[in-house]
Amino acid sequence: QSALTQPASVSGSPGQSITISCTGTSNDFIDYNYVSWYQQHPGKVPKVMIYEVSNRPSGVSNRFSGSKSGNTASLTISGLQAEDEADYYCSSYIGGSTPYVFGTGTQVTVL
Amino acid sequence: QVQLVESGGGVVQPGRSLRLSCAASGFTFSTYGMHWIRQAPGKGPEWVAVISYDGSHKFYADSVRGRFTISRDNSKNTLYLQISSLRSEDTAVYYCAKEVGPRQGFDYWGQGTLVTVSS
Repeated sequence: QSALTQPASVSGSPGQSITISCTGTSNDFIDYNYVSWYQQHPGKVPKVMIYEVSNRPSGVSNRFSGSKSGNTASLTISGLQAEDEADYYCSSYIGGSTPYVFGTGTQVTVL
Repeated sequence: QVQLVESGGGVVQPGRSLRLSCAASGFTFSTYGMHWIRQAPGKGPEWVAVISYDGSHKFYADSVRGRFTISRDNSKNTLYLQISSLRSEDTAVYYCAKEVGPRQGFDYWGQGTLVTVSS
């Protein structure tokens, strides 16, 4: 299965909003709404930020939001803070014999 | 609180086998699908395998199908990954992860266990 495509890097100044895209090419990605997003700081375990496209687990800041349109899912971080500097990965259920896939990852830099 | 603790990693020669374990606590293990996800040094996560809550359904990544076997023992609250015919490209930190719900993503991850394949 092909990985989901993300921009290698995105940057923003404190207080700004940034959006990370996650593009899939398969019809299964388009048809399903099972995209999740993970934040990973260096040397740490990935942490779920969004699941099922736009659901936020308890304890995750409401500055993080998710959406999906067609073959592209997006993670938006509003009111960017220094602690948001990390790698972010999307993931999705895509069905078939290999039903899950991760994105290529995006490094977020807070200027 | 949910805890997932992996064990069984180490340095292994190419072609050998290894069994990873993941001890779960803090939730009703027998009602959730469980996953193995790996991350090679300096790379992003790669999904490896999933097993349904009752063990009746299993799926694998193309890269490991036929060499890796996922299993679980609900009486022991433990998830396993049997890895055989190890290759250098299998070198990674292996995480077990609990699903939020069917197809919904992974809400709890263990700390991971490092598997290094080297002669």
